[in-house]
Amino acid sequence: SQQGEEDPQALSIQEGENATMNCSYKTSINNLQWYRQNSGRGLVHLILIRSNEREKHSGRLRVTLDTSKKSSSLLITASRAADTASYFCATVLISGSRLTFGEGTQLTVNP
Amino acid sequence: EAGVVQSPRYKIIEKKQPVAFWCNPISGHNTLYWYLQNLGQGPELLIRYENEEAVDDSQLPKDRFSAERLKGVDSTLKIQPAELGDSAVYLCASSDPGTTQETQYFGPGTRLLVL
Repeated sequence: SQQGEEDPQALSIQEGENATMNCSYKTSINNLQWYRQNSGRGLVHLILIRSNEREKHSGRLRVTLDTSKKSSSLLITASRAADTASYFCATVLISGSRLTFGEGTQLTVNP
Repeated sequence: EAGVVQSPRYKIIEKKQPVAFWCNPISGHNTLYWYLQNLGQGPELLIRYENEEAVDDSQLPKDRFSAERLKGVDSTLKIQPAELGDSAVYLCASSDPGTTQETQYFGPGTRLLVL
């Protein structure tokens, strides 16, 4: 079963705009991770945020985590056509080490 | 540094035939994972190895799926016999407990089509 659920399922924006994707989960986590998958490729790790952290930045990426709401968001600023991909959140539970993925958000950045 | 290598990249077989996928993880990564990814969905773990030991295989359909990692490096995932519903992408990933086991590095996947 999927632990994380992404919202929206699909997002289409213009180059230069910001893209925000959300992830909700059900069970208390040790950490939450975001991965990117280009069409026909494997997943690439973007960023990891631990349960005691509220916000992390990496380049044009900003991730927030609200453990009280069991939700996270991924913000991509100043988007580029090359950011077109599927973005997945994945959680690691406090009680385990398995990485459980959501169904992903398909982001399309139009040039 | 070479990434996770998988072969073949694509495989088309008829149902009831056997099929095998091969994975070579990043050098030094003791942990190896096999995932199944259906179209439009996130990956789902099939099996996790710590060195040559399968430590999490609870989601592996053992009636038709098998995996091995004999020397704790390369791994093979086999399906016998394949069914139509097995059409999916099979992803291999590895991680290094010496640095951060939580970050997984994925290969490009093997896209399987069962006819």
